[in-house]
Amino acid sequence: GAVVSQHPSWVICKSGTSVKIECRSLDFQATTMFWYRQFPKQSLMLMATSNEGSKATYEQGVEKDKFLINHASLTLSTLTVTSAHPEDSSFYICSAGEGNQPQHFGDGTRLSIL
Amino acid sequence: AQSVTQPDIHITVSEGASLELRCNYSYGATPYLFWYVQSPGQGLQLLLKYFSGDTLVQGIKGFEAEFKRSQSSFNLRKPSVHWSDAAEYFCAVGAVEYGNKLVFGAGTILRVKS
Repeated sequence: GAVVSQHPSWVICKSGTSVKIECRSLDFQATTMFWYRQFPKQSLMLMATSNEGSKATYEQGVEKDKFLINHASLTLSTLTVTSAHPEDSSFYICSAGEGNQPQHFGDGTRLSIL
Repeated sequence: AQSVTQPDIHITVSEGASLELRCNYSYGATPYLFWYVQSPGQGLQLLLKYFSGDTLVQGIKGFEAEFKRSQSSFNLRKPSVHWSDAAEYFCAVGAVEYGNKLVFGAGTILRVKS
C-alpha cells in the first residue's frame, strides 16, 4: 500500500536553531500534502496545505514565516521550523493523498526544543 | 463551521467485550469520513473510510462503522476487543468542497483490561 515516510522521527535542538522535517510519498505522486501539529493528549490540528509547485496555504493562526513549507516535487514536502523556541516543541505529522482518497500519514516527528 | 465531536475522552472495556466509539460531525458539505488509530508516539493508521454507498463499512482488524446521515454520526464498533486494540482513535471528516482538508475529533483513548 501507499507509504509516506517522514524524517527525522525525533529531533532535539537548542532554542534559536532551525529544524527541517521531510515528508516523502514513496510509491505515489502527491500534488497535495498536509502538515499537522499534535500537542500531548490532543488531536491533530492542520497547520497548512502544501501544494506542489506553488505556495502553501496556511490555516488561521499559523505563522507562515515561522513554519516554512516547500513542496518542490511530487514526492517531497518539507517543513522548516525557523528560530525554534520551546513552545514549538510538539509532534508534527504529515500526510499525503490524492483527491478525496484516504490520506496516508507519516510516523511523525517529535520536536523538542531546549 | 466544520466540527467533529468525539464525546468520550477515555473508554475502558474488558478484553473480549464489544466496543462502540462515538463520532458526530457538523459539516456544510457532503462529507466523507474516516477512522484512524494512533499508538503512542506513532503516526496514524487508517481503519476504515466512508465515501458513499453502503452505510455500514468494514475495516481492518475487525472494525466496522455505520454512517447515519440523520444523526450526523459515524460510530466505530468492534464485537470483541483484543488487548492490542488499546490505542487512541480519531474520527476525521473531509469534503471535496473544502479542499479535502481533514477535520479531526479530539480522539478517544481506549484502554483494555484483561
